Amino acid sequence: DIQMTQSPSSLSASVGDRVTITCRASQGIRNDLGWYQQKPGKAPKRLIYAASSLQSGVPSRFSGSGSGTEFTLTISSLQPEDFATYYCLQHNTYPYTFGQGTKLEIK
Amino acid sequence: QLQLQESGPGLVKPSETLSLTCIVSGDPISRSSHYWGWIRQSPGKGLEWIGSIYYSGNTYYNPSLKSRVTISVETSKNQCSLRLSSVTAADTAVYYCTRLGILTGIDFWGQGTLVTVSS
Repeated sequence: DIQMTQSPSSLSASVGDRVTITCRASQGIRNDLGWYQQKPGKAPKRLIYAASSLQSGVPSRFSGSGSGTEFTLTISSLQPEDFATYYCLQHNTYPYTFGQGTKLEIK
Repeated sequence: QLQLQESGPGLVKPSETLSLTCIVSGDPISRSSHYWGWIRQSPGKGLEWIGSIYYSGNTYYNPSLKSRVTISVETSKNQCSLRLSSVTAADTAVYYCTRLGILTGIDFWGQGTLVTVSS
């Protein structure tokens, strides 16, 4: 299985901060990666697909980059509604695998 | 508007079979550009991919669950189903129905349904 190592596992930040979350794949996955946001009690929602394409309706403060084995999700200016848990998902090779998640909390 | 609605028993006894159905509305399940899958999330834990199916019946299962999992589609009812046999407490989780783009991964999730395995 492809291992997705996501860091950090938790992050404390303030409204207006710029934050970056990283996922590293144990082998190359081209750009077959998505980023998802999950709020408590809710289903995940896709923010980014194909590593760097913004999902329709998602604010432009979210961006993704990377290819191969290293990927980042950046939130340029945190808003109160952004405090949630974020996951990456590789869909290059079965079984598809998720990162362990990053819990973004208010400082 | 696409909706995925999971349904099934919220409580299953150990060693029995978990059965869930996902009713898809707003998109034909036989559309060639997508396939359909199941993800689960144990309480307080991360996300685990269970498997996926194309409308033609081609399936892809997580090897960790493959011996116990069956995913099927019924195009006439526009629904997808999950069966997981010989369940234990470790199978207690929220189960999500998902839609996947052929090249773009999971693009839509159902609201999820909690299944508890307990006697």
